[in-house]
Amino acid sequence: ELKVEQNPLFLSMQEGKNYTIYCNYSTTSDRLYWYRQDPGKSLESLFVLLSNGAVKQEGRLMASLDTKARLSTLHITAAVHDLSATYFCAVDPSGTYKYIFGTGTRLKVLA
Amino acid sequence: AAGVIQSPRHLIKEKRETATLKCYPIPRHDTVYWYQQGPGQDPQFLISFYEKMQSDKGSIPDRFSAQQFSDYHSELNMSSLELGDSALYFCASRTWGTGELFFGEGSRLTVL
Repeated sequence: ELKVEQNPLFLSMQEGKNYTIYCNYSTTSDRLYWYRQDPGKSLESLFVLLSNGAVKQEGRLMASLDTKARLSTLHITAAVHDLSATYFCAVDPSGTYKYIFGTGTRLKVLA
Repeated sequence: AAGVIQSPRHLIKEKRETATLKCYPIPRHDTVYWYQQGPGQDPQFLISFYEKMQSDKGSIPDRFSAQQFSDYHSELNMSSLELGDSALYFCASRTWGTGELFFGEGSRLTVL
């Protein structure tokens, strides 16, 4: 059974600090997606990673994919309060379009 | 730009009642997914449709059924509602190529 695990599950950090969220998955996949969700709201697409070594950056967030290690990272640079949200990674195993979501990382940035 | 539209946004039902959720995907997106998200949980895949045919099935209870119509909108029908069905229900449509999912705002179902 495919497992997608994120760590940490909860993250409280000070504004201006850097941190990395990890997404590990247990099966072959060349496609990985990152989403952001504010409480009670929809899931907003952040990054689409489609191959080994893919790196995408948007503002203070940067995502990368290592398909050999079955690992994706979401790096936060100089966090600001507006980044407080839950972040999910989602894996598409072997291009089957069966998206499996990770456990989510609830990020709280303290002013 | 057009987004995924879900209705109703909020729904309150009694136990054992029936509910229907609707989803209108982004135009020219051919695949629709339904997810259920309980409080503090990750989204759980229920069912998907490609070109109006069921393409995959996840942890959808037998009390639930869904279909996609000729105009590509989809409906999720839930019968014999239980307290545990209270959740946010998301519909997403998929863009061809990257496989990126675009989610609707969700329908919050409360079963009393």
